[in-house]
Amino acid sequence: QVDLVQSGSEVKKPGASLKVSCKASGYTFKGYGISWVRQAPGQGLQWMGWINVYNGNTNYAQKFQGRVTMTTDTSTNTAYMDLRSLTSDDTAVYYCARTTDTGIQGGTFDVWGQGTMVTVSS
Amino acid sequence: DIQMTQSPSSLSASVGDRVTITCRANQSIGSYLYWFQQKPGKAPQLLIYAASDLKPGVPPRFSGRGSGTDFTLIISSLQPEDYATYYCQQSYSLPRTFGQGTKLEIK
Repeated sequence: QVDLVQSGSEVKKPGASLKVSCKASGYTFKGYGISWVRQAPGQGLQWMGWINVYNGNTNYAQKFQGRVTMTTDTSTNTAYMDLRSLTSDDTAVYYCARTTDTGIQGGTFDVWGQGTMVTVSS
Repeated sequence: DIQMTQSPSSLSASVGDRVTITCRANQSIGSYLYWFQQKPGKAPQLLIYAASDLKPGVPPRFSGRGSGTDFTLIISSLQPEDYATYYCQQSYSLPRTFGQGTKLEIK
């Protein structure tokens, strides 16, 4: 079956960098995009951006521009999200989600990873 | 950015009740509207895509309506497993944005 399995929880200090992985299985990895969505404790969902796995094109939310990098390794069907210069505001659960279309319009997040809890604290 | 506003923010209902959750966009988004269900400690799950199409495997008591700026998610007969938080999301433009969520609680 289609599955996305993310790396485990992380504790980081302010100013550090974070790298979360998301391993896909059960489908053609290059046929979809991967989005990253985060959820601060008790809060709603915030889209961070996505990567078109087929051609490597990315689109990041302005809030994260310059601080985030999304990549994939198609040899292992794994997506990665790097986030730099962490602050306590980055404490959240980070989800990867299979994205059915990475065009301007259309598509959504039809399969989600289990989430990775990231705590930023001194 | 397109702002998505859900109402109510929370709702108490009983098993068997008909429940309606509303989502409003601050500009027209056509039918590029999706609904998700999230249970505590779990990832969101897609319920409805393109405003009214049920994802395969989702019980038919869930339905979606609307286009343009106003959308509704309807649960025709609430079941115990439906207690969760529901989010709408637009795919009309970038960045993708979500509503703030509607928490559905047991009455």
